[in-house]
Amino acid sequence: GQSLEQPSEVTAVEGAIVQINCTYQTSGFYGLSWYQQHDGGAPTFLSYNALDGLEETGRFSSFLSRSDSYGYLLLQELQMKDSASYFCAVNSGGYQKVTFGIGTKLQVIP
Amino acid sequence: KAGVTQTPRYLIKTRGQQVTLSCSPISGHRSVSWYQQTPGQGLQFLFEYFSETQRNKGNFPGRFSGRQFSNSRSEMNVSTLELGDSALYLCASTEGGSTEAFFGQGTRLTVV
Repeated sequence: GQSLEQPSEVTAVEGAIVQINCTYQTSGFYGLSWYQQHDGGAPTFLSYNALDGLEETGRFSSFLSRSDSYGYLLLQELQMKDSASYFCAVNSGGYQKVTFGIGTKLQVIP
Repeated sequence: KAGVTQTPRYLIKTRGQQVTLSCSPISGHRSVSWYQQTPGQGLQFLFEYFSETQRNKGNFPGRFSGRQFSNSRSEMNVSTLELGDSALYLCASTEGGSTEAFFGQGTRLTVV
């Protein structure tokens, strides 16, 4: 089966940098995705890593190490609107079989 | 392009009843996945449909079922509702070959 671990809560200061880690155990790994979900909202796609390394999209970056079964989401220049839950998700099995972690609730404080 | 539409948004049912939820994917998306979201459990995968065929299934009891129509719209059905089925049910659609899933706003089901 698949399992993912990520911290349940993280607090960071506005303007700072925060890293949300995700470790996974899975068979048939295809890639690691990250989603953001604000309270009461739908999850929205942030990034996808299929290969080792860092992918950068504006203030957000995502990293993957397949050999370590580990990835992280890096948020820079934190803004209050970044307060949300962040989910890592493993794509396995070739088709759209996606397993999500329990999510990390990020609170950005002034 | 319209987003993923789920109906109804809110639903209250009694234990033992059954319920059907609907999901209309983004036009052109043929893959539709369903998830159950509860506090502390994250998003748990229910099943995924592509071209009217169920390709993947999560670890949920047989009371949870789904189907997809030729226009890619999907429905999920839960029979013999239990209190523990109270959750936000999300559907997501994906364009063929893409890894980016687009989620609907969900249906919040409350079982009393």
